[in-house]
Amino acid sequence: GQSLEQPSEVTAVEGAIVQINCTYQTSGFYGLSWYQQHDGGAPTFLSYNALDGLEETGRFSSFLSRSDSYGYLLLQELQMKDSASYFCAVRVNTDKLIFGTGTRLQVFP
Amino acid sequence: EAGVAQSPRYKIIEKRQSVAFWCNPISGHATLYWYQQILGQGPKLLIQFQNNGVVDDSQLPKDRFSAERLKGVDSTLKIQPAKLEDSAVYLCASSFDRDRGTYEQYFGPGTRLTVT
Repeated sequence: GQSLEQPSEVTAVEGAIVQINCTYQTSGFYGLSWYQQHDGGAPTFLSYNALDGLEETGRFSSFLSRSDSYGYLLLQELQMKDSASYFCAVRVNTDKLIFGTGTRLQVFP
Repeated sequence: EAGVAQSPRYKIIEKRQSVAFWCNPISGHATLYWYQQILGQGPKLLIQFQNNGVVDDSQLPKDRFSAERLKGVDSTLKIQPAKLEDSAVYLCASSFDRDRGTYEQYFGPGTRLTVT
């Protein structure tokens, strides 16, 4: 079977750092993607890790450990606009994604 | 660059009625996906097209759902007849940029369906 686990909710204050973890168990693995989705909006692509290690894109970083079937999304210098749901998704073949259930991030002033 | 377009944005129907959703992918993207997202859950793949051929429809409830992608561009997803449990957001996504050789999926704004 395919399963991805991530926390259902995370809260933090503006300016803080938050880490959203994702563990996965899938029949195929090409890489781990992260998507952001604001209420009522479309999921938007944030990052993709195919190899172990940390990828940094501005305030957001994503990490992957293939041996541990684990990854995380790190959000720094949190802003109110970062309040959204964040989904990890495993690319199980060239072009197919399996999504996790999502982590709702609430940023407080 | 224009994004993925979907219509309508909202639809309310009664159970046993039929409904259709339309999607226009990003220009140049060969692969098109339809997802169902129930409130509080992640998107679940219903069907995947490569150009105008079906790659994966294993999760599509074929007794009531159908989809087509004529000419390998636009796509429609139909539900007939609708059930209460079909209330969800239906997301269309596209991927595979031939010029860049990338496979990231880009989503449209979705259609929020309410079945009463």
